[in-house]
Amino acid sequence: SSELTQDPAVSVALGQTVRITCRGSPLRNNYATWYQQRPGQAPRLVIYGKNNRPSGIPDRFSGSTSGNTASLTITGAQAVDEADYYCNSRDNSGNHLGAFGGGTRLTVL
Amino acid sequence: EMQLVESGGGLVQPGGSLTLSCEASGFAFSGYWMHWVRQVPGKGLAWVSRIDNEGTSTSHADSVKGRFTISRDNAKNTLYLEMNSLRAEDTAVYYCARVGGGGKRYDSGKYYFYYYMDVWGKGTTVTVSS
Repeated sequence: SSELTQDPAVSVALGQTVRITCRGSPLRNNYATWYQQRPGQAPRLVIYGKNNRPSGIPDRFSGSTSGNTASLTITGAQAVDEADYYCNSRDNSGNHLGAFGGGTRLTVL
Repeated sequence: EMQLVESGGGLVQPGGSLTLSCEASGFAFSGYWMHWVRQVPGKGLAWVSRIDNEGTSTSHADSVKGRFTISRDNAKNTLYLEMNSLRAEDTAVYYCARVGGGGKRYDSGKYYFYYYMDVWGKGTTVTVSS
């Protein structure tokens, strides 16, 4: 089983705020990296480090961490944000980026 | 434009072998660590292997250890994944990805580490079936 746990599905009304969480022991001293994956596409980096967005990612995406839980927050969700979201971190064996969460399917209503 | 293009996927019988390639362009390939990540259709992402920028240090997931080998040819800007003793459960889309960076940060009284994969290929499909 995965060292990182995510809720399988979350929904949000258009324009509202949603938080997607990722839990696991690696997160006690590793920040989670977050990827977005739309159907039929490759994953895309959305958040890394404490709360960093790559160029081109809207500022409605933000990240945070507390204890063994990391969160990805979308403030003012848009229809284009409907996708699967994965957290990723170092695993307990020390492999950089070796642990993925199971993914959260976000539905924008 | 930074780009990764995978190739080499296909249909192979259980117990067979296959080598995937990932050709990089638009960036200095030799300066970056690289990973292979796979995704069973309809399922989540799973880490497979990683290699340092010089090709001297590698690591593999337990599920593929002893069967898969990651390597690279920096002169050809190409990453490889040699897959042997293939099983039905290895059926997946295989992505290569670049480690864009990482480091550590002192925050709330302790150090946190982070890394990230910032450039991904579109993937190549491997199907293991008789």
